[in-house]
Amino acid sequence: DADVTQTPRNRITKTGKRIMLECSQTKGHDRMYWYRQDPGLGLQLIYYSFDVKDINKGEISDGYSVSRQAQAKFSLSLESAIPNQTALYFCATSDSKETQYFGPGTRLLVL
Amino acid sequence: QKEVEQDPGPLSVPEGAIVSLNCTYSNSAFQYFMWYRQYSRKGPELLMYTYSSGNKEDGRFTAQVDKSSKYISLFIRDSQPSDSATYLCAMSDNYGQNFVFGPGTRLSVLP
Repeated sequence: DADVTQTPRNRITKTGKRIMLECSQTKGHDRMYWYRQDPGLGLQLIYYSFDVKDINKGEISDGYSVSRQAQAKFSLSLESAIPNQTALYFCATSDSKETQYFGPGTRLLVL
Repeated sequence: QKEVEQDPGPLSVPEGAIVSLNCTYSNSAFQYFMWYRQYSRKGPELLMYTYSSGNKEDGRFTAQVDKSSKYISLFIRDSQPSDSATYLCAMSDNYGQNFVFGPGTRLSVLP
């Protein structure tokens, strides 16, 4: 979805490195989310933010941190990457209780 | 027990078949029920959403919700090869703070 962009689209990094995944949206939504997707496990919520001053942990926040720089920008950081953080990461935005709009995803490989 | 369970598949059907995809859930607070479609290497996209119990139809797709049984379904009529994707059910409560996805069912429609 061009309204939600993620950078980079692919990233290979080494164990112990710090990396940042970025998400930008032009939909004007207040709510933003970060998910990871692993085969067979579906989407797991890492962090979510309902406005610039509101940050909440999801079900799997350990090892991750986020920053909501503006209404349109929500970044996810891995302070010290480990191999089991290898996954597909999605950013999503929402303006309601029933719909979320997803970005194209970032494929991360931690060696 | 996971909050949302979904038949993992994979499911293979011939073109033109009727497909039934199902999810069960345990949290009676869920009021909004969604179906997302995810093509390979893409982010999920919203197909349909339903509030509370009942049916909703959109072209070849019909969503059903039975809150008394905590069971939701998505029916695809006259399935097409272009319907081949992973289908994720999702649900949320009235506050939109508890947004949960099922693990997804991979569907292949064979020409």
